[in-house]
Formats: sequence, structure tokens, C-alpha cells
Amino acid sequence: GQQVMQIPQYQHVQEGEDFTTYCNSSTTLSNIQWYKQRPGGHPVFLIQLVKSGEVKKQKRLTFQFGEAKKNSSLHITATQTTDVGTYFCAGPWGTDKLIFGTGTRLQVFP
Amino acid sequence: NAGVTQTPKFQVLKTGQSMTLQCAQDMNHEYMSWYRQDPGMGLRLIHYSVGAGITDQGEVPNGYNVSRSTTEDFPLRLLSAAPSQTSVYFCASTKTQGTYNEQFFGPGTRLTVL
Repeated sequence: GQQVMQIPQYQHVQEGEDFTTYCNSSTTLSNIQWYKQRPGGHPVFLIQLVKSGEVKKQKRLTFQFGEAKKNSSLHITATQTTDVGTYFCAGPWGTDKLIFGTGTRLQVFP
Repeated sequence: NAGVTQTPKFQVLKTGQSMTLQCAQDMNHEYMSWYRQDPGMGLRLIHYSVGAGITDQGEVPNGYNVSRSTTEDFPLRLLSAAPSQTSVYFCASTKTQGTYNEQFFGPGTRLTVL
């Protein structure tokens, strides 16, 4: 069945360092979404990418959708303690469903 | 707008008990879904609904029932609770505009089954 994997599973960084999480799908995706979940909180929508090769930026966050639409990445420049949380990618599954990746948990040390 | 609300926030059940997790949204979204999240894991889809009167199964539907009698409400029923159902349960509703989709999550229900 369809799978969406993320690497790394867990990453510690020093505040100010960059961070990247990668999302890989076993099938081509029509779009990909990214969510952030703070510790003890609920997932919050960050962005949706639709086009092959698309790159979108939100302040220090850069999102990219691969040319083959089977992978995506989220890069954070100069991490801050407010970036702590788990980042999930999610892609369509069948007609109506959304399948979430396994998530990357980011810890930032001051 | 309250967004997506869930009750209760916490619940402890004994094995074999049944209960209903409540979910409501006031954004008039057609699409709603239930997920469970286990420690260190991602979100797994339990059931979803594309509109009032229409529900379907997700990845892990066994042991759960849903119904959707109104656009606003989407309750999740645990028929006979088992320790394996100890988890955090999130309800979500989806804003859809053409190809744009954005899921709004509720605050979650933390369920422990003893």
C-alpha cells in the first residue's frame, strides 16, 4: 500500500543551526502538505505544494516539492527554540483520504 | 469561530467499556476525519466523512464506529475498549477550495484504557 516516510526520525540542533526533514512517498502525489505539532499540542497546517519542482518560503522555512512529485523537503534556516516540535508531511491517499508521514521530531538547544 | 472542538480532553476507561468521543466544527466543512496518534508515531486515519450521511474507513477502523448526521458533528464510538486503543485521538475538518486542502485539527482527547 501507499507509504509516506520521513527522515530523520529525530534531530537535535543547536539554536542557530539549520535543519532539514525529508519526505518520500512510494507513489506520485498530486500535492503534499506540511504540518507542525508542538509538544502536547495538535497538528497545525503550514503549507500545501502542488506543482512539480515548486519551492515556497515562509520566513525561515523553505518547502520544496520534487520534480517527480514523490518527495518533498522542509528546511529551516537558523533554528530558534520556537521551532521545537514534530514536523509531518501528508499526501493524498485515494480520492478522499490523507496519509501522514512518520514525522521528524526537532529539538533545539539554546 | 471556535474551529474544531473535542470532548472530553482526558478519559480513562476499563477494558470492555464503551464511550463516545465528541467532535464538532463550526466552519461548515464537508470533510471530517478521525486520527489516532501513538507515542512517537504519526497520525493514522481511523474513519472519515465527506459529508452528512456519508462515512468510510481509514487505515485502522477496527473497534471504532462513526456516524455523521449533521455537517457540524462527527462522533467516534469505541464499542468495547481495549488497552491497544490507548492513544491520543484527533478530529479534523478540511477546508477545500479547488485543489487547495487545509486540515484543521481539534485539541485532542487523551484516552487511557486499563
